[in-house]
Amino acid sequence: DQQVKQNSPSLSVQEGRISILNCDYTNSMFDYFLWYKKYPAEGPTFLISISSIKDKNEDGRFTVFLNKSAKHLSLHIVPSQPGDSAVYFCAASTNSGYALNFGKGTSLLVTP
Amino acid sequence: GAGVSQTPSNKVTEKGKYVELRCDPISGHTALYWYRQSLGQGPEFLIYFQGTGAADDSGLPNDRFFAVRPEGSVSTLKIQRTERGDSAVYLCASSSTGGFGEQYFGPGTRLTVT
Repeated sequence: DQQVKQNSPSLSVQEGRISILNCDYTNSMFDYFLWYKKYPAEGPTFLISISSIKDKNEDGRFTVFLNKSAKHLSLHIVPSQPGDSAVYFCAASTNSGYALNFGKGTSLLVTP
Repeated sequence: GAGVSQTPSNKVTEKGKYVELRCDPISGHTALYWYRQSLGQGPEFLIYFQGTGAADDSGLPNDRFFAVRPEGSVSTLKIQRTERGDSAVYLCASSSTGGFGEQYFGPGTRLTVT
């Protein structure tokens, strides 16, 4: 069963606006969360992460928010740029910290 | 520095054949992971190596799949008696340690079983 869910397969945003990608998880043992970005014919590239002791982590244009009670996290990209167009995967792991459980991904298109 | 590399980039094989997929991790990374990504899905964990030993192979789907890392660097994923359902992109990742921290992925090997 899918323990990490990304319910929006695609998202289209105008350049300069905010992109919000959502992720839900079911396993309460998950305590480390990551976002990866993937271009076609390339492997996933690490973007940003957050541990369960925090509710927010920011890195430049990218911010991840974690709501443990709702088992929900989101990735905000502000401002969105055309080069951000890619598939974004949410991933989670337990305190053993190695096997990543991925969602199915959200394809983001940023239009000029 | 060099990232994770995987060879071949594409592999087409007939049903029932044996295949080997190779992964060269980032130099100095002790942890190595294999994942499989089927069409429309996210990567699915297969196996994790810490050094030369398989610390967790719980994701291998059946005994046709096997992986080795004899010298703690390069790893080979081996699939016997391939089936059409094995068609997927096989991704390798490495990290400087096991445990919390980002994993660095290679470009993957696209396996097609005809």
